[in-house]
Amino acid sequence: AQSVTQPDIHITVSEGASLELRCNYSYGATPYLFWYVQSPGQGLQLLLKYFSGDTLVQGIKGFEAEFKRSQSSFNLRKPSVHWSDAAEYFCAVGPGDYKLSFGAGTTVTVRA
Amino acid sequence: DAGITQSPRYKITETGRQVTLMCHQTWSHSYMFWYRQDLGHGLRLIYYSAAADITDKGEVPDGYVVSRSKTENFPLTLESATRSQTSVYFCASRRSPESAKGEQFFGPGTRLTVL
Repeated sequence: AQSVTQPDIHITVSEGASLELRCNYSYGATPYLFWYVQSPGQGLQLLLKYFSGDTLVQGIKGFEAEFKRSQSSFNLRKPSVHWSDAAEYFCAVGPGDYKLSFGAGTTVTVRA
Repeated sequence: DAGITQSPRYKITETGRQVTLMCHQTWSHSYMFWYRQDLGHGLRLIYYSAAADITDKGEVPDGYVVSRSKTENFPLTLESATRSQTSVYFCASRRSPESAKGEQFFGPGTRLTVL
């Protein structure tokens, strides 16, 4: 069975500081991995995805993620956060994308 | 404007009543999905559809019914609502090409409360 664990429920970061969100997955084959962001009261938006190839993936809004097969991880990073990055972030895994399994999410608060 | 819309945005109902949540997309996307979002669980897939008249169960389908007679619409029905179905429901869609894998476009959500 596929599953995702996001160990951090809530992270607070200062504006301009770096951000790293952790994601660990369980999947029996080569996974398709995704990061989505949800702003308050909104639906989810895809930040980036990994299918194969280069293990460092660039996404929108200055985010990147690194796939580490040996650690079953797909951590999301941003070098310098902006107040608009305050949101909830979801990691997801699946065999393609029609049966994605989402993590419970990490809420990011940005302080001035 | 093109996009994916959900109605109603907020709904309060009583236990045992039938409720239908509507989802409409204007992109002619092949795939459509219904998720529920609950605190501590993230999103869980209820049902999905690969095309008109083709639907399949997701992770938590019990108590829900879907249909897809037209490509653009994907209604979700709670046949007899229970308190445990209080949640935020999201509809999503995606294009069919392999290159579009993973990019699901989400609606704004419907907040359903079952009393």
